[in-house]
Amino acid sequence: GQQVQQSPASLVLQEGENAELQCNFSTSLNSMQWFYQRPEGSLVSLFYNPSGTKQSGRLTSTTVIKERRSSLHISSSQITDSGTYLCAMGLNTGGLSGKLTFGEGTQVTVIS
Amino acid sequence: AQTIHQWPVAEIKAVGSPLSLGCTIKGKSSPNLYWYWQATGGTLQQLFYSITVGQVESVVQLNLSASRPKDDQFILSTEKLLLSHSGFYLCAWSPWGVSYEQYFGPGTRLTVL
Repeated sequence: GQQVQQSPASLVLQEGENAELQCNFSTSLNSMQWFYQRPEGSLVSLFYNPSGTKQSGRLTSTTVIKERRSSLHISSSQITDSGTYLCAMGLNTGGLSGKLTFGEGTQVTVIS
Repeated sequence: AQTIHQWPVAEIKAVGSPLSLGCTIKGKSSPNLYWYWQATGGTLQQLFYSITVGQVESVVQLNLSASRPKDDQFILSTEKLLLSHSGFYLCAWSPWGVSYEQYFGPGTRLTVL
């Protein structure tokens, strides 16, 4: 089954509203990384957050390993925040390389 | 500063034709290198990884192959494209050793007709 589940699948926000995106994982993991995927497909790394809380501007990421979840909080949303947000779980595959397993993404639309 | 370059930016190819996609990392020696693929509307999935020149491990079987001819270069190829190969291909790197923070290139959009 899907090891990484993101919710909600999509979200519509009024400009200025806050939002919380969730990522739940079914196995033990070594790390969590959040990305913004641009419409043409390229990825912007938002956070590398194996555990705890990190903040960058209006974005905050919190990962709780014991509870197997990570969240991305967007405060005071802006129209430019629209797009797809992906979480990726890092798993030790037993060698000298990490494997990222991605969630299906949350499509965020911010309207004025 | 490290830079990652992918080529071509986009390709339109016929079913059955060969394919070669490239990825180059500058400013980092001996990186781990990865290929990911995303079908239209699908989830990103890791295809291959390489920890050193000449050594490539396959993660998902998609009738594709990968090679690492130089420390800073990763090539994805096939001799015969399928319709199902369409999608977006991303190359990524991480520092040598077990590292989970990965840095992604700009990607290549492939359309197979």
